[in-house]
Amino acid sequence: DSGVTQTPKHLITATGQRVTLRCSPRSGDLSVYWYQQSLDQGLQFLIQYYNGEERAKGNILERFSAQQFPDLHSELNLSSLELGDSALYFCASSPFSGDTIYFGEGSWLTVV
Amino acid sequence: AQSVTQLDSHVSVSEGTPVLLRCNYSSSYSPSLFWYVQHPNKGLQLLLKYTSAATLVKGINGFEAEFKKSETSFHLTKPSAHMSDAAEYFCVVSDLGGSYIPTFGRGTSLIVHP
Repeated sequence: DSGVTQTPKHLITATGQRVTLRCSPRSGDLSVYWYQQSLDQGLQFLIQYYNGEERAKGNILERFSAQQFPDLHSELNLSSLELGDSALYFCASSPFSGDTIYFGEGSWLTVV
Repeated sequence: AQSVTQLDSHVSVSEGTPVLLRCNYSSSYSPSLFWYVQHPNKGLQLLLKYTSAATLVKGINGFEAEFKKSETSFHLTKPSAHMSDAAEYFCVVSDLGGSYIPTFGRGTSLIVHP
């Protein structure tokens, strides 16, 4: 158990809908990362937050957004969902930028 | 800029034989290098990490990796494969002087035959 908690573990939704994925980092970790894993794209970095502020952006679509709250948990919002958004979404955390990151078990999103 | 290349998408070994998973990296700064393992339908688990201390790094489950700056490599090895080692392995680089965002390789699927 890495200490990173993600909910929900599985989610099935229809195209055009919006979903929110939630992440609780390890106790004491200030940095949260979101990754998308799909068969064709591999593991893609989406976005990083550090102590409530956006630190870095990767290949995140405009339909997606995220935030980190004062209690350091983070949410990834996916809207106007398309079939191609079906993937495993990972949250990871680290004490600070550049340190080892620890992954949650992921949230499986299926868009039908 | 940083990048990482895992040279094999699949590696197949017999149980009890050595494992070699190859990784080459590119980094403009002093890199931190990691290996993660992902078992089916599971999250990624840290195997080991290199952060400019000893060049030979020992990890969990008998794995180790050697940092070779001259070859820009960080290959993962294990003397004797177990069936439970069958999984996806990811090599990761993070620039300590750059963006700090870990960059993942495409992964190597390790297949272990009885």
